[in-house]
Amino acid sequence: AQSVTQLDSQVPVFEEAPVELRCNYSSSVSVYLFWYVQYPNQGLQLLLKYLSGSTLVESINGFEAEFNKSQTSFHLRKPSVHISDTAEYFCAVSDSTGFQKLVFGTGTRLLVSP
Amino acid sequence: NAGVTQTPKFRVLKTGQSMTLLCAQDMNHEYMYWYRQDPGMGLRLIHYSVGEGTTAKGEVPDGYNVSRLKKQNFLLGLESAAPSQTSVYFCASRLTGFRFQPQHFGDGTRLSIL
Repeated sequence: AQSVTQLDSQVPVFEEAPVELRCNYSSSVSVYLFWYVQYPNQGLQLLLKYLSGSTLVESINGFEAEFNKSQTSFHLRKPSVHISDTAEYFCAVSDSTGFQKLVFGTGTRLLVSP
Repeated sequence: NAGVTQTPKFRVLKTGQSMTLLCAQDMNHEYMYWYRQDPGMGLRLIHYSVGEGTTAKGEVPDGYNVSRLKKQNFLLGLESAAPSQTSVYFCASRLTGFRFQPQHFGDGTRLSIL
């Protein structure tokens, strides 16, 4: 069975400051790792994913995450946040079979203030 | 370009009532999923379907039934609603294939059971 832990339920940060949202996972098999973002009253959108290959993955809006197998982590980082980044962020894991049954963490609410 | 559409967006039920949530996708996706989202618990998979006429249980299937009579629709039923089923329900769909295909989420149905 797989599980995901997001230790921080809420992360307040000032605009243009760097941020890191932490994610640790547990699995006995090879996994795919994801970060999803949820804006208020909307569904989830895929932010970035790790399937294989390079352990550093990037999104189009400046976020990046690094897969660390030895520490079973997939932390999300951004060097300079904007007000528009205020949202809830979910880390998720799935096994590498075709069904892609996602197991989500409990989410981290990122609050960016001016 | 509708994507994944969930109907209704809001509903209030009394304990013991029944209802059906509809998920419709216009992207010709084979896989469809139903999740529930509860505060502090992230999203949990209820049921999923890998094609028309097939369904399978997810992490929290008890109290729910599903049907996939048409490829584009995935219905989630509550036969006898209970207060514990108060939640936000999300539907998702995706293509299959050898390459990774992300799940596309609807905007959710907010269900309150009194």
